[in-house]
Amino acid sequence: EAGVTQSPTHLIKTRGQQATLRCSPISGHTSVYWYQQALGLGLQFLLWYDEGEERNRGNFPPRFSGRQFPNYSSELNVNALELEDSALYLCASSLNDRGRRGTRTVNEQFFGPGTRLTVL
Amino acid sequence: AQSVTQLGSHVSVSEGALVLLRCNYSSSVPPYLFWYVQYPNQGLQLLLKYTSAATLVKGINGFEAEFKKSETSFHLTKPSAHMSDAAEYFCAVSRNTDKLIFGTGTRLQVFP
Repeated sequence: EAGVTQSPTHLIKTRGQQATLRCSPISGHTSVYWYQQALGLGLQFLLWYDEGEERNRGNFPPRFSGRQFPNYSSELNVNALELEDSALYLCASSLNDRGRRGTRTVNEQFFGPGTRLTVL
Repeated sequence: AQSVTQLGSHVSVSEGALVLLRCNYSSSVPPYLFWYVQYPNQGLQLLLKYTSAATLVKGINGFEAEFKKSETSFHLTKPSAHMSDAAEYFCAVSRNTDKLIFGTGTRLQVFP
């Protein structure tokens, strides 16, 4: 079974440009999550998409946006790039098992290898 | 609000020694807890997860963790370290399908 894939592996942009990062989830997974891993800031939640809708958003400015396609793959767009946007961007996918009424479900997230974005 | 604290940003052990990586959580509801490992220039790999079943959770590569509600802890252990265990380890907490909240990570070094 193929894991989560991300492209490109590396991306170099200059300040003010736009970056587009892509993620393909594990087959059958409907939820996609984006995280930023910046030096000194740890792993920060960015966005969560499920069934094509944005479900939750982390504490990031609106120039971070994305979408999820009908095949559940996802794009992360970062507009007006700033130097501090340089980071490893990780995508994760999970099942969205709603389970029976009243029961809690655990949806472990499986991570891709990441896209290293460098802003010069 | 949920949060995770990992005590010790760096831990060094000798090969064959016990590995103990500490994680304490704060959660207003019973949490789901996870340990992930990250090797250099790679994504995160799930080691193990706690889902309110058994309090002692066994994971991959010989790692295990014990959920202690009274101490709000979920420490990761391995009886005998191997050189290949050198990596960064992250503890995380979540609710259902919600986001993962990560600790700041602990870098494990293993010396021969």
